[in-house]
Amino acid sequence: DAGITQSPRHKVTETGTPVTLRCHQTENHRYMYWYRQDPGHGLRLIHYSYGVKDTDKGEVSDGYSVSRSKTEDFLLTLESATSSQTSVYFCAISVGLAGEYNEQFFGPGTRLTVL
Amino acid sequence: LAKTTQPISMDSYEGQEVNITCSHNNIATNDYITWYQQFPSQGPRFIIQGYKTKVTNEVASLFIPADRKSSTLSLPRVSLSDTAVYYCLVGGGGGFKTIFGAGTRLFVKA
Repeated sequence: DAGITQSPRHKVTETGTPVTLRCHQTENHRYMYWYRQDPGHGLRLIHYSYGVKDTDKGEVSDGYSVSRSKTEDFLLTLESATSSQTSVYFCAISVGLAGEYNEQFFGPGTRLTVL
Repeated sequence: LAKTTQPISMDSYEGQEVNITCSHNNIATNDYITWYQQFPSQGPRFIIQGYKTKVTNEVASLFIPADRKSSTLSLPRVSLSDTAVYYCLVGGGGGFKTIFGAGTRLFVKA
């Protein structure tokens, strides 16, 4: 599993509240990603990072922000959660020198419910 | 980003070989083809990646014709535990260079 942990694993929150999800890796890989997965859909990229303080938007970035102040941690923040952000969130890393062309390893996921 | 087309679902029986084909007509010269497997309540797991011809590992084989407009994931002698969703990606191994489609749901029956 390439030493990837996500916290919390489950969270229920109310509309309008801020939420931060944490992804932690133990092997100092450069590339990290946040995805969301909804029923009947594949994974959709929210944001990604290619180094400390280097982040960029993915396919579905509206309503989300990220931060990476240390190599090992990649934080995903919902500034004001909405019911449409109810989803399962996966963190991933790329392993290898080819960055985006390398295989990804995924964390266990965080199930977020926004009431 | 290259779009992929896969069957929505497939059924098989234990011990059979399963072939899942993915179409990617607009694949670019630098694009790789990558397959992932996902079980319920887990993140996807890398199966295999290739650029052309045939790639084989301990889990599967990947067949890519010369025009690279399609690819076939071959799972030899499937078991019940191979029941999962299989995703075909074109581009990189993930991230901003690729799109995860809806995948193919494989059901393996006893």
